[in-house]
Amino acid sequence: DSGVTQTPKHLITATGQRVTLRCSPRSGDLSVYWYQQSLDQGLQFLIQYYNGEERAKGNILERFSAQQFPDLHSELNLSSLELGDSALYFCASSASLGAHYEQYFGPGTRLTVT
Amino acid sequence: QQQVKQSPQSLIVQKGGISIINCAYENTAFDYFPWYQQFPGKGPALLIAIRPDVSEKKEGRFTISFNKSAKQFSLHIMDSQPGDSATYFCAASLGVGSNYQLIWGAGTKLIIKP
Repeated sequence: DSGVTQTPKHLITATGQRVTLRCSPRSGDLSVYWYQQSLDQGLQFLIQYYNGEERAKGNILERFSAQQFPDLHSELNLSSLELGDSALYFCASSASLGAHYEQYFGPGTRLTVT
Repeated sequence: QQQVKQSPQSLIVQKGGISIINCAYENTAFDYFPWYQQFPGKGPALLIAIRPDVSEKKEGRFTISFNKSAKQFSLHIMDSQPGDSATYFCAASLGVGSNYQLIWGAGTKLIIKP
């Protein structure tokens, strides 16, 4: 158990809908990262937050947005969903910016868009 | 220059054999090279990491070999076991000023045959 929690575990929704994925980092970790992993694919970095501020953006679509709250939990919002958005979405956390190579991953949210 | 190239894409090894996964990079500013292990349906987990001023690091059956001049690093799994069957990701860490990034390899799916 990494100490990172993600909810929900599974999500099934229809095209055009909007969903929110939630992540709670390990206790004390200030950095949160979001990744997308399609079936049998690699990890696509989406976005990073550090202590409430956006620090880095990867291949995140304009339909996707995220935020990190004062209690350090983070939410990833996916809107106008398309079939191709079906994937595993992982949240990871690290203690600090300097320890960003040491990321602790949550169990993921499996999103299915029908 | 920010890429990390990982090979092979997939690998089948007999139980008891040595599994070798290779990664190559271009950017000499990378400051840490972690390896992550991911089991199906789970989030990746940090396995072992090495700094560029160290040529080898061993943890149990897992060894990272690092060749700074060739800009290559590899993961060796000795006495490979069926429980080692997983996807392995190499990564390279970049921390310059306030810019921190973790660049991921594409992953290697390892199957250990009993």
